[in-house]
Amino acid sequence: EAGVTQSPTHLIKTRGQQATLRCSPISGHTSVYWYQQALGLGLQFLLWYDEGEERNRGNFPPRFSGRQFPNYSSELNVNALELEDSALYLCASSPGGGRYGYTFGSGTRLTVV
Amino acid sequence: GIQVEQSPPDLILQEGANSTLRCNFSDSVNNLQWFHQNPWGQLINLFYIPSGTKQNGRLSATTVATERYSLLYISSSQTTDSGVYFCAASTGGGNKLTFGTGTQLKVEL
Repeated sequence: EAGVTQSPTHLIKTRGQQATLRCSPISGHTSVYWYQQALGLGLQFLLWYDEGEERNRGNFPPRFSGRQFPNYSSELNVNALELEDSALYLCASSPGGGRYGYTFGSGTRLTVV
Repeated sequence: GIQVEQSPPDLILQEGANSTLRCNFSDSVNNLQWFHQNPWGQLINLFYIPSGTKQNGRLSATTVATERYSLLYISSSQTTDSGVYFCAASTGGGNKLTFGTGTQLKVEL
């Protein structure tokens, strides 16, 4: 069974540009979660999608947005990139609502220069 | 929201030693997980353990939900056990998983 896959592995963008990160959940999982791990700040919850809807959002500005597609894959968009957006972005999936545990992907390392 | 605290923040062991990592949480949980983050950043799920005891090889975990803590035991540690260990928890209704600040473990020869 394939795990959670994220692409790209690394991404380098210039300040002010937009970044798009992608996540494919484990087959059968309907919930997708996005987390940011910036240096020295730990793992911060960004977004939760379930059945195509945004269910919860962390304390991040609106330029962080995303969506979930009918096949449950998800996209995270970060607009107007700032230097402090440089971080490891981790995606996780679960069967639904997180009650059965999350499985994480390998992450996308975003560098803003 | 729920608060998750981990101790110790740093731990250095000699290969072959045993260790116990602790996680305290501030509310009733419907999800508690232990993860190991490897040097490349991947979070590897060790245990899904909102209550009870589980074992997987040299690792075991116990969660005492009524007293709001969980313990991760590592026996006969190996250098490959090095990395950061995170505890994460969520309350009911599918709320987000909140992470502790982690325990940085280094196992030396």
